[in-house]
Amino acid sequence: QQQVKQSPQSLIVQKGGISIINCAYENTAFDYFPWYQQFPGKGPALLIAIRPDVSEKKEGRFTISFNKSAKQFSLHIMDSQPGDSATYFCAARSANTGKLIFGQGTTLQVKP
Amino acid sequence: KAGVTQTPRYLIKTRGQQVTLSCSPISGHRSVSWYQQTPGQGLQFLFEYFSETQRNKGNFPGRFSGRQFSNSRSEMNVSTLELGDSALYLCASSSRGTGGTGELFFGEGSRLTVL
Repeated sequence: QQQVKQSPQSLIVQKGGISIINCAYENTAFDYFPWYQQFPGKGPALLIAIRPDVSEKKEGRFTISFNKSAKQFSLHIMDSQPGDSATYFCAARSANTGKLIFGQGTTLQVKP
Repeated sequence: KAGVTQTPRYLIKTRGQQVTLSCSPISGHRSVSWYQQTPGQGLQFLFEYFSETQRNKGNFPGRFSGRQFSNSRSEMNVSTLELGDSALYLCASSSRGTGGTGELFFGEGSRLTVL
């Protein structure tokens, strides 16, 4: 059963635009919400992460917005660049088991 | 510091065979997790080992098994392969003990094709 649902499955954005990827979770016993970025032929790498006691976290052009009551969180990529073209995964970590549950992934293409 | 190393990178098997994949974590990391990646399903958690003990297990059939050695290196085995087992198998290591952020460091994966 999928506990973290991610959308959209794919996204095409023009260079300089804003890319937005959304995730929703069902289980309230999650204590850590990371985003991973994966380039073709590579393993995923941690991009940015947030804890549920914070509503927003920004690192450079990447921002996580977190809505605890709605059980939703999203990744915003400002001024998107062709080098941002990759697959992005949201995830949620169980506070009970420490297990990291991933969303289905979003393939982002930034057109020059 | 060397990253997570997975071998082999690519392999082709036929239905009914078995396969063993290997993972060497980052030096000093005692936690190793395995994930199956397929298009549309994302990353599905297989299991996690910490100090040679399986700490978490995902919802995969018993054909999928793993182990961890005293040097933290890990192997996963899939027996009686099925076509649906074709996937990228990712290993991730972490320094996570009983706390911490538990950031996962992934290898580049082993791509298994079952014919």
